[in-house]
Amino acid sequence: SYELTQPPSLSVSPGQTATIICSGDNLGNTYVSWYQHKPGQSPVLVIHQDNKRPSGINERFSGSSSGNTATLTISGTQALDEADYYCQAWDTSTVVFGGGTKLTVL
Amino acid sequence: QVQVVQSGAEVKKPGASVKLSCKVSADRFTRYAIHWVRQAPGQSLQWMGWINAANGNTAYSEKLQGRLIIARDTSASTAYMALSILTSEDAGVYYCATSTLQAFDNWGQGTLVTVS
Repeated sequence: SYELTQPPSLSVSPGQTATIICSGDNLGNTYVSWYQHKPGQSPVLVIHQDNKRPSGINERFSGSSSGNTATLTISGTQALDEADYYCQAWDTSTVVFGGGTKLTVL
Repeated sequence: QVQVVQSGAEVKKPGASVKLSCKVSADRFTRYAIHWVRQAPGQSLQWMGWINAANGNTAYSEKLQGRLIIARDTSASTAYMALSILTSEDAGVYYCATSTLQAFDNWGQGTLVTVS
């Protein structure tokens, strides 16, 4: 079965850029979405179709995808960005989530 | 604006089944795909399956095939998820979400399922 791999954790200082990687075979051949998930809340879509921001999502969030890797970039990271981030892609008619990356803003 | 409202918390015994509902308030329920995603305590999001609200076609995670059924009632704008033969590994928060453009853009508030 198809798998998406993410680093379990990432720490950044406020104001720095956070870069979260998602890896999967030929990932660049399918659309990747990214979700922010805070404790006690429902996940929120922050990037879809590799690099598109839904309405209401801060422009500090951006995405890209090529080859076997997709990337979520958070510029000027703030304390409120601290959360788990998940990549997601389709594998034929089923869906796969990455294992999630816990972003800590120190 | 699409609103997704899920049914309330459930407590089930091992071996039992659970059925959850997911009501979508939108102008056209049948334009959406509705997915179910769960999260066990301390674990990552796990995709369970989805239903095409227009034609009722479904697809399920290999891991849950045979135990999971997803259905919908278009007259009630509601999708349902039934999971059978529950074990402690099925405990967690269950989410439904609508999907357009291959992404999950509107999520329900989540339903806590306890198996004990």
